Amino acid sequence: GQQLNQSPQSMFIQEGEDVSMNCTSSSIFNTWLWYKQDPGEGPVLLIALYKAGELTSNGRLTAQFGITRKDSFLNISASIPSDVGIYFCAGQSYSGGSNYKLTFGKGTLLTVNP
Amino acid sequence: SAVISQKPSRDICQRGTSLTIQCQVDSQVTMMFWYRQQPGQSLTLIATANQGSEATYESGFVIDKFPISRPNLTFSTLTVSNMSPEDSSIYLCSVGERGGTYNTQYFGPGTRLTVL
Repeated sequence: GQQLNQSPQSMFIQEGEDVSMNCTSSSIFNTWLWYKQDPGEGPVLLIALYKAGELTSNGRLTAQFGITRKDSFLNISASIPSDVGIYFCAGQSYSGGSNYKLTFGKGTLLTVNP
Repeated sequence: SAVISQKPSRDICQRGTSLTIQCQVDSQVTMMFWYRQQPGQSLTLIATANQGSEATYESGFVIDKFPISRPNLTFSTLTVSNMSPEDSSIYLCSVGERGGTYNTQYFGPGTRLTVL
């Protein structure tokens, strides 16, 4: 089946620093989604990318849909303590009908030191 | 986006028993999904809950173990049957919002299950 390689697995940074994480796949995806999960909560959608090459921002977050449709990155600028959590990438491939399966990366655990 | 709630939020169950998890959405949605997140792991799709028909299960998941109901466009249940400690996980429902071939999924808060 499809697999996503998400890196890094974890990051320890100082408040104010910028962060970058990425996902790569051997398969093509139609959509890339980035989620953040806090402890004890469900994943919250941060950014959705729908077109190859698309660059989208949401506040301090910026994400891009790779031109080959096999990769995506997420940048967080000027990190703050509440950025702490696990970040997941997810790729969606459409194969007709109602098949909209999401494949998730293994997550990046972000720790921000005040 | 839709507001999604799940009941219970957490439970501790005995081996061999069953637990039914409810997922309620505040608006009608076409697609609902159930995921499992094992401790420290990523999310794995269990099945797509189809309204008015049988759920579509992913490889490794079967209806006898995870029966799913979807009686209408705002509600679904997942039952974890004959539980064992290996079933201890967070179970999440999600809903899909669609525009053409695009699907954006939003998640409920999850149900944290511990099996003793």
